[in-house]
Amino acid sequence: DGGITQSPKYLFRKEGQNVTLSCEQNLNHDAMYWYRQDPGQGLRLIYYSQIVNDFQKGDIAEGYSVSREKKESFPLTVTSAQKNPTAFYLCASSIPHKGRGRENTEAFFGQGTRLTVV
Amino acid sequence: AQSVTQPDIHITVSEGASLELRCNYSYGATPYLFWYVQSPGQGLQLLLKYFSGDTLVQGIKGFEAEFKRSQSSFNLRKPSVHWSDAAEYFCAVGMNLEYGNKLVFGAGTILRVKS
Repeated sequence: DGGITQSPKYLFRKEGQNVTLSCEQNLNHDAMYWYRQDPGQGLRLIYYSQIVNDFQKGDIAEGYSVSREKKESFPLTVTSAQKNPTAFYLCASSIPHKGRGRENTEAFFGQGTRLTVV
Repeated sequence: AQSVTQPDIHITVSEGASLELRCNYSYGATPYLFWYVQSPGQGLQLLLKYFSGDTLVQGIKGFEAEFKRSQSSFNLRKPSVHWSDAAEYFCAVGMNLEYGNKLVFGAGTILRVKS
């Protein structure tokens, strides 16, 4: 079945450590996204990528880094510079809008990774 | 700035009663709008979407939403709520960017269903 796989489901990190969250998709989508979810704040965009080897900062990129070496994969690293990393992280993918119809902007989400700093 | 407002943080309805979740957006261009649902600890599932045409759109699980441009609203409705509808609901507006597009989400509405 096609979909988005995030791993691990739960992740614990000590203060001062970097951790990497995995996101893999087999939907053949060009665009991938990372969102952070905190209670009462909805989802906020961290980074997004419309094509391999290219990515852009979202609204809350500080303390995070990403790479996009393969179409299927968009890992997110939460660095020690992120002051409040405890949150639920969601990865999504879609067909990019640019050059295509608006109807392709629907995003598909993974099941999320809950990161806790201990 | 583009934004989405969901005025109700929590809503409680009785099973079998009707439901309306409110969503207002602020976006300069013609919007494309979405409603997603999230069960605890899970990802988001798309309920329905509006891009153009008929302003009343039908979605999965018996949900519908109506786009009202004059009110900048995209309210979600269901005529008869089931206990399994208890979840968090997010309204989102799609934005075109120089490099692709992104979704801007509201803060969410938690729906509780009482029997």
